[in-house]
Amino acid sequence: AQKITQTQPGMFVQEKEAVTLDCTYDTSDQSYGLFWYKQPSSGEMIFLIYQGSYDEQNATEGRYSLNFQKARKSANLVISASQLGDSAMYFCAMTDKLIFGTGTRLQVFP
Amino acid sequence: GAVVSQHPSWVICKSGTSVKIECRSLDFQATTMFWYRQFPKQSLMLMATSNEGSKATYEQGVEKDKFLINHASLTLSTLTVTSAHPEDSSFYICSASQRIRAEAFFGQGTRLTVV
Repeated sequence: AQKITQTQPGMFVQEKEAVTLDCTYDTSDQSYGLFWYKQPSSGEMIFLIYQGSYDEQNATEGRYSLNFQKARKSANLVISASQLGDSAMYFCAMTDKLIFGTGTRLQVFP
Repeated sequence: GAVVSQHPSWVICKSGTSVKIECRSLDFQATTMFWYRQFPKQSLMLMATSNEGSKATYEQGVEKDKFLINHASLTLSTLTVTSAHPEDSSFYICSASQRIRAEAFFGQGTRLTVV
């Protein structure tokens, strides 16, 4: 069975600083995908970044990068230059069934 | 990114009635759709996975006779909450994917309140 673990219920970061949100996973599959989504208070789910298990390079999308360490089964999200609008819930997820971790609430303060 | 439209955004219904929620992929063909339930301040709980033209696969503990899922076409999946009760009140959200392990796009979610 697949499992996603996010151990940080909440994180605070000052504007313009970088922050790392942790995610570990467990699966017996050789091929899988890892995702990060953002959920603001409005409830919508916003796709941020994707990492395939066979991708050799860490994924990057603008200010978002994914620190993928396959041997450790971790897929941490790094947000650089935090903005006030980054305050939201962040969820890590994996395929084949798109299951989610418990989420981390990020709050960015001025 | 691709667009997934979910309707209605919110619905209030009387206890004992049934409610249908639609999830449409507007600009791509979704071979797989996922249905989730989310309680306040909690994560998304996967209820079922549906593939076009076949029966949905329900997660353990989800009553398939209560939460009817139909994925009749590559652009439409529906979730019907039958004989709704107040404990079914929740935020329901769907996502759609073009292929396995691909990015999934989410609908806006439906807030269901059963009174």
